[in-house]
Order: sequence, then structure tokens, then C-alpha cells
Amino acid sequence: NAGVTQTPKFQVLKTGQSMTLQCAQDMNHEYMSWYRQDPGMGLRLIHYSVGAGITDQGEVPNGYNVSRSTTEDFPLRLLSAAPSQTSVYFCASSYSTLEAGNTEAFFGQGTRLTVV
Amino acid sequence: GDSVTQMEGPVTLSEEACLTINCTYTATGYPSLFWYVQYPGEGLQLLLKATKADDKGSNKGFEATYRKETTSFHLEKGSVQVSDSAVYFCALSLMEYGNKLVFGAGTILRVKS
Repeated sequence: NAGVTQTPKFQVLKTGQSMTLQCAQDMNHEYMSWYRQDPGMGLRLIHYSVGAGITDQGEVPNGYNVSRSTTEDFPLRLLSAAPSQTSVYFCASSYSTLEAGNTEAFFGQGTRLTVV
Repeated sequence: GDSVTQMEGPVTLSEEACLTINCTYTATGYPSLFWYVQYPGEGLQLLLKATKADDKGSNKGFEATYRKETTSFHLEKGSVQVSDSAVYFCALSLMEYGNKLVFGAGTILRVKS
């Protein structure tokens, strides 16, 4: 099973450039999220989605856009890259049921982004 | 708001030593609790979880018990190995908020042979 697939694995951008980080999952999970990981700060939620067509902001949404046109895909767009967006980005998917409650999140391998 | 606090690292232990990584949380509702592990250069993977008070999660020799009265979920292992060297994250999620995860800052564990 592929699970959660993120591309690219590494990216270097110049300040002001835009780009899209791709995320796809093949588990039919309803929930998808984007996190950024910075040293000493754990993972912080950027945006999340509870289903196709529904997205909402997380803790650190500024400078990022998302859309969820299908259950499988949840791309993250950097509108105008800034050095403060240098980070490792993780996409995750999960689901919940009344019986099991919140299930674990499945993470992609991450995208290491450097903005110069 | 909801938050997770875990002990700062790095934690350096010798092989076969006992491990405890403290984790406490604050939450507006009744959260599920998780420990995730991140090996060098990889994404996060679930280590163990607990969904209600007094539940004990366990995996690969690691254990953690959901203590509602002390709002804690401490990670323990009786005998660590070099292969346990990684970053460990405590996290909570609330169904009311679309299963979003709130993470602690992470604790680096280094095990020496």
C-alpha cells in the first residue's frame, strides 16, 4: 500500500517564488492535514480538511493555501515564499468512527523546503 | 486552548537503561492521546495510543497509561536499545475538531551502546 505520498522530497525556492507541495492518500480517509516541523516546536498545524470541498485553517495558516477537490488529494500552495517558511512539511491523513474514536494519523515522508 | 507539554531533551541513556518521557496535556474536551516516533530522515509513525481514561497503550516494549486525574500520558520502557534512538512526540486529538493533532515539542532520545 502506498499510504500517504508527498512530493517533492526536497525543494529550494527563492524568496517570492510560489510552488505547490503535493499530497495524496489511497486509504479513503476523510481527514487530511498539513503540518510544519521546526526545531524545538514540534509539529504545527497549517491547514486541515474534514472531507472533499471542506478546508479550514490551523495554527499557522498565513502564507499558505489549500484545496480539497477529491478525497485523495490535498495540495499545499505557497503563494510567495519567504525565508520564514523554511521547514519540513508533513501531510497526514486519518479517519474516526463512533466506535473507535480518533484513529491514528498516517504521515507522508515529508518535504524539506529551503527558501533563500 | 488545547496543548501538550513534554519533557525537554535530549535524553541520553545507555543501552538497557529505563526510559520515562513525561507528557501532560490540557484539553477542552475528552481527547485521544498518542505517542509518535520519528526516526532520522523519516516521517512520523504511531508508537501507541489510548482513547479513554485508564487505557494503557503498548507497542515494541513501550507503554503509556492515560491518566485523566493528572492529565498525563508518560512514555516508559524498561530496557532501551540503540535502535530506539529517535524523536518522540506526545500528541492529542479531539473528534470535535476533525481529528486534528496537537503535538508536544518532541523529545530526542539517544541510546549509547
